[in-house]
Amino acid sequence: AQSVTQLDSHVSVSEGTPVLLRCNYSSSYSPSLFWYVQHPNKGLQLLLKYTSAATLVKGINGFEAEFKKSETSFHLTKPSAHMSDAAEYFCVVSDSRGGSNYKLTFGKGTLLTVNP
Amino acid sequence: NAGVMQNPRHLVRRRGQEARLRCSPMKGHSHVYWYRQLPEEGLKFMVYLQKENIIDESGMPKERFSAEFPKEGPSILRIQQVVRGDSAAYFCASSPPPRVGHYGYTFGSGTRLTVV
Repeated sequence: AQSVTQLDSHVSVSEGTPVLLRCNYSSSYSPSLFWYVQHPNKGLQLLLKYTSAATLVKGINGFEAEFKKSETSFHLTKPSAHMSDAAEYFCVVSDSRGGSNYKLTFGKGTLLTVNP
Repeated sequence: NAGVMQNPRHLVRRRGQEARLRCSPMKGHSHVYWYRQLPEEGLKFMVYLQKENIIDESGMPKERFSAEFPKEGPSILRIQQVVRGDSAAYFCASSPPPRVGHYGYTFGSGTRLTVV
């Protein structure tokens, strides 16, 4: 079985300061991991994905995440927050097994607030 | 090159009515997935369909919910005799056939169902 724990339900930062959104996962097999962003009343946008290539993954809008197998973590970071980054962020895992790799398991989300 | 299209964006139904949610996949995609997002929760898998075939409906409530993806036309998620607890955002995603090393789905903007 796979699961995702987002360690913070709400993170608040000032504009221009670093962002860290924490995610731990559990998976019986080699996982694929993703971060999605959801702006208010909008759909989900894929920020970045890890699929067993490089452990440091770069995404859109300056975000990146590092896959750490020993810590079962996939934290999302950005060096400098922008007001437009304010949104809900979801960490997502999928088992890589061929039989059920279509099923995504979402964390409960972290709401990022960016203060001027 | 339209993405995944869902309609309506917002749907209000009285208790006991039927709700029909539509999803048109991206061009060239023959696989559709429905997810439900309850308030302050992450998305939960409901059902996976190919054209004219339900592959996995393990996340669908046992009663009142059904889904189809006909040979022609959009995928439909149907909720009969809606209750207040069905109020949620329903997201659709599409993909080509899944493969090992998941690449992430493209999600639509969702349908927000409110039952009054």
